[in-house]
Amino acid sequence: AQSVTQPDIHITVSEGASLELRCNYSYGATPYLFWYVQSPGQGLQLLLKYFSGDTLVQGIKGFEAEFKRSQSSFNLRKPSVHWSDAAEYFCAVGVGGSQGNLIFGKGTKLSVKP
Amino acid sequence: DTGVSQDPRHKITKRGQNVTFRCDPISEHNRLYWYRQTLGQGPEFLTYFQNEAQLEKSRLLSDRFSAERPKGSFSTLEIQRTEQGDSAMYLCASSPARVRGTSEQYFGPGTRLTVT
Repeated sequence: AQSVTQPDIHITVSEGASLELRCNYSYGATPYLFWYVQSPGQGLQLLLKYFSGDTLVQGIKGFEAEFKRSQSSFNLRKPSVHWSDAAEYFCAVGVGGSQGNLIFGKGTKLSVKP
Repeated sequence: DTGVSQDPRHKITKRGQNVTFRCDPISEHNRLYWYRQTLGQGPEFLTYFQNEAQLEKSRLLSDRFSAERPKGSFSTLEIQRTEQGDSAMYLCASSPARVRGTSEQYFGPGTRLTVT
């Protein structure tokens, strides 16, 4: 069965420091992968997606993610974190086929120290 | 820019009452999804529509839950005889159809349900 694991429940980084959020997936075929961000009490905003092609994908707000098939990973990175990046981040894999619903990880909460 | 909208944003109800939530997707999107999110968890899939047809339902969607999407536009999610375990954020998302595979989904702000 498809699944997504985000090993880090909570991460704290200093403003200006680099960030990497980990995501591992389990899926039999070529995955459709997504990262979303959720601010408190809000819905989810799409940061970036991977469907095929270049394994390094760029997203909004300066985020990027790299798909590594051999490691079943899709880690999210940002070179310099801003205080406004504090939020919860969710990795998701698309089920595919004719259905297309997403399976989400449990999320990583990011705190940013001034 | 009209994204996905949901109404109401918050709902407090007493156990045993019925509640109904509404979702208006992005107008050109023909796929619509409902998810449920509890504290400390990622969203979990409930059900999916392509146009007006409900094509998939999760086992999480008990008999007390029903969803409709008349005319393939807005959708409603009804919960009958609410229980405290139904307290959660209910998220709606829409996406354009792809020939194959998953499209990116755009989420609404959610409806926070509290059952007392």
